[in-house]
Amino acid sequence: AQSVAQPEDQVNVAEGNPLTVKCTYSVSGNPYLFWYVQYPNRGLQFLLKYITGDNLVKGSYGFEAEFNKSQTSFHLKKPSALVSDSALYFCAVRAASNTGKLIFGQGTTLQVKP
Amino acid sequence: KAGVTQTPRYLIKTRGQQVTLSCSPISGHRSVSWYQQTPGQGLQFLFEYFSETQRNKGNFPGRFSGRQFSNSRSEMNVSTLELGDSALYLCASSEERTGPRSYTFGSGTRLTVV
Repeated sequence: AQSVAQPEDQVNVAEGNPLTVKCTYSVSGNPYLFWYVQYPNRGLQFLLKYITGDNLVKGSYGFEAEFNKSQTSFHLKKPSALVSDSALYFCAVRAASNTGKLIFGQGTTLQVKP
Repeated sequence: KAGVTQTPRYLIKTRGQQVTLSCSPISGHRSVSWYQQTPGQGLQFLFEYFSETQRNKGNFPGRFSGRQFSNSRSEMNVSTLELGDSALYLCASSEERTGPRSYTFGSGTRLTVV
């Protein structure tokens, strides 16, 4: 069975500091991994994905994520947080055979304080 | 390129009624997936359509159904509404055939069942 865990309900960081939002996954075979962000009363906005290739993936708005196969992790990072980064972040996984089906983590609220 | 369009944005229905939600994918995208988002259960996969065929299905009761038209637009129907069906319903479109692509989400339809 596929699953995604985001162990932190909320992450608090000060503006200008680096941020990390954690994600671990379980899936059969090679995983396809995604990060999305959601602002209040909005849909999900795509940040980045890992399909194959380099373990370090760069995405939108200065975000990046590192795929670690041995630890089955795909943590989201940003070197310098902005107040406008405050939002709800979702990690998602898709198994190769499970077309169109993303399994989402429960989400992590990121709060960036000035 | 126009994004994914979901209509209506907000809907209030009475218990026992039925409802139809619409999703127009990005031009050229033939895969449309539907998700239910609630505070308690998070984001859950409902089903995916590709070229008018349901290709994947989540664990929802038969009251939840969908279809896709030849222009790739998709509709989702919920019959005999229950209070617990109150949720944000999101659709995502993708170019996906057999391999993964990014999934672009619409802004969602907020359904309230009273």
